[in-house]
Amino acid sequence: QVQLVESGGGVVQPGTSLRLSCEASGFTFSTYGMHWVRQAPGKGLEWVSIISYDGNTKYYADSVKGRFTISRDNSKNTLYLQMNSLRAEDTAVYYCAKGGVIVLDSWGQGSLVIVSS
Amino acid sequence: DIQMTQSPSSLSASVGDRVTITCRTSQSISSSLNWYQQKPGKAPKLLIFAASNLQSGVPSRFSASGSETDFTLTISSLQPEDFATYYCQQSYSTLWTFGQGTKVEVK
Repeated sequence: QVQLVESGGGVVQPGTSLRLSCEASGFTFSTYGMHWVRQAPGKGLEWVSIISYDGNTKYYADSVKGRFTISRDNSKNTLYLQMNSLRAEDTAVYYCAKGGVIVLDSWGQGSLVIVSS
Repeated sequence: DIQMTQSPSSLSASVGDRVTITCRTSQSISSSLNWYQQKPGKAPKLLIFAASNLQSGVPSRFSASGSETDFTLTISSLQPEDFATYYCQQSYSTLWTFGQGTKVEVK
């Protein structure tokens, strides 16, 4: 079955960087687009970014554009989110999700990022 | 960006009740609308895709309809395990967006 396992979260200071990873198994990773979605404490879901199956196409929410970079290594079945210039408002649980053409059909358990001085 | 408006933001219901949640978009999205369920401390779970298609394994008491800008999720007979927060999400534009969520609570 599909498994997505995020890692790399933690507590960081404003202005610093962090890289999240999402290790995928149970499906042919290299044939699916992948997404990051986040959820601030007590708040709703916010779509963050998408990367195409081959890594050639990427889109970002306006709130993270220019600061976050999505990437993937299909040889390692792993998705990444490089987060730079972190702000307090980036504090959230970050989920990776497997994307069908139009839907997020499988989700990881999430990785908590806290940005605080 | 396409804006999503869910209503109500929360509702109180009893087991066996029929529950309806609506989602309105700021522009037409054809049928590119999905519904998710999220329970506290858990990842969201896909319920409905492409406006009205039930995801495999999801109970048939869940149904959905709509197109263009107006969409509805219905739970025909609320069960104890259905108390959760529900989100709509559009995949029409390159920048996907979620509704703000509807929390279904015990009456």
